[in-house]
Amino acid sequence: DGGITQSPKYLFRKEGQNVTLSCEQNLNHDAMYWYRQDPGQGLRLIYYSQIVNDFQKGDIAEGYSVSREKKESFPLTVTSAQKNPTAFYLCASRGGTGIAEAFFGQGTRLTVV
Amino acid sequence: SQQGEEDPQALSIQEGENATMNCSYKTSINNLQWYRQNSGRGLVHLILIRSNEREKHSGRLRVTLDTSKKSSSLLITASRAADTASYFCATDVASNTGKLIFGQGTTLQVKP
Repeated sequence: DGGITQSPKYLFRKEGQNVTLSCEQNLNHDAMYWYRQDPGQGLRLIYYSQIVNDFQKGDIAEGYSVSREKKESFPLTVTSAQKNPTAFYLCASRGGTGIAEAFFGQGTRLTVV
Repeated sequence: SQQGEEDPQALSIQEGENATMNCSYKTSINNLQWYRQNSGRGLVHLILIRSNEREKHSGRLRVTLDTSKKSSSLLITASRAADTASYFCATDVASNTGKLIFGQGTTLQVKP
């Protein structure tokens, strides 16, 4: 089945640790996105990538890092510099920009303990 | 922030009634899209309207777009309890940046 997969579904992090959230897609999409969603809030763009080996900062990139070494994969690292990382993280992909819908993963809920 | 505004933030209606949600945005766009999110899940695409279109229909959904006012509305007709969810607009920012910016969302509750 074609789709976009995020793992893990739940993640617990101790303060001061870096953690990496996985996002994999087999839709052959060029563009991939990471969003953060806080309770009762909308989605805020962290990073996005339109093509392999290239990515751009979104509105809230501080404390996060990404890589795009393969078309299928766009992992997000939440670093210790992110002061309030507890949130729901959503990954999305789409076939191109201009006229294309986004497909979302089921999300990763990150909690700092 | 380039994030748009949606109103109302929350909407509660009876089954069979129509639900209207509004979205305003700040930048020039290629298109505007509406998504649905069930609690704790990923988003699902509902409908896309291009910047040169004014109205679009899909089943019980009707979307309008007014680029002069930088606003859009989503109408769900004859609502059902299963329509209970959060609804988000997303703007595909023009100038080929690839950015897809979401609004704050409207939480819709449809009472049976």
